[in-house]
Amino acid sequence: NAGVTQNPKFQVLKTGQSMTLQCAQDMNHNSMYWYRQDPGMGLRLIYYSASEGTTDKGEVPNGYNVSRLNKREFSLRLESAAPSQTSVYFCASSEAGTSGGAPGELFFGEGSRLTVL
Amino acid sequence: DQQVKQNSPSLSVQEGRISILNCDYTNSMFDYFLWYKKYPAEGPTFLISISSIKDKNEDGRFTVFLNKSAKHLSLHIVPSQPGDSAVYFCAASDNNDMRFGAGTRLTVKP
Repeated sequence: NAGVTQNPKFQVLKTGQSMTLQCAQDMNHNSMYWYRQDPGMGLRLIYYSASEGTTDKGEVPNGYNVSRLNKREFSLRLESAAPSQTSVYFCASSEAGTSGGAPGELFFGEGSRLTVL
Repeated sequence: DQQVKQNSPSLSVQEGRISILNCDYTNSMFDYFLWYKKYPAEGPTFLISISSIKDKNEDGRFTVFLNKSAKHLSLHIVPSQPGDSAVYFCAASDNNDMRFGAGTRLTVKP
């Protein structure tokens, strides 16, 4: 049981390049999330998907796009990378769906460290 | 605006003593509160949670206290162990929107 798997683990980009961070979960969870972690800022929500076919903006969505490809996969795309997007990115999943109940526990991947030069 | 705040970036305690980590929030719509623990080069892992209808939840050495009127919660670890050394994130949720604090780095000295 792999849980939440993120790829790539490390990436270096030049300003203006594009890339996609891949995330997959094998726990049959409805909800999936993308967070970024920066020093002194904690984890900030970029986008989330409450269920297959839906996506919503979080706190810091600018410069990012997401795709909920199916129930298992939720990708994060940087169309034109900027140095301000240098961060550690975490994908997470949970049982919470559109029922409106408490989200409960988030299961996180190991993180993807992105550096934009 | 940071809706969840952890004002202490670090905390150092002696093994066997109590660790108290604090968290404040501003959004009264939050209805569920969680603590996560993070080791270097790993993703955060869930530790303990509490619903807004309760004021205390205990799980072994870990207890979370919620004071809704003060919009404050705390995590108590008793007794603290060196393996507890990690970064602890407080989180609060309103349906699917979960917000995290900046984290507190706990160091438990042998």
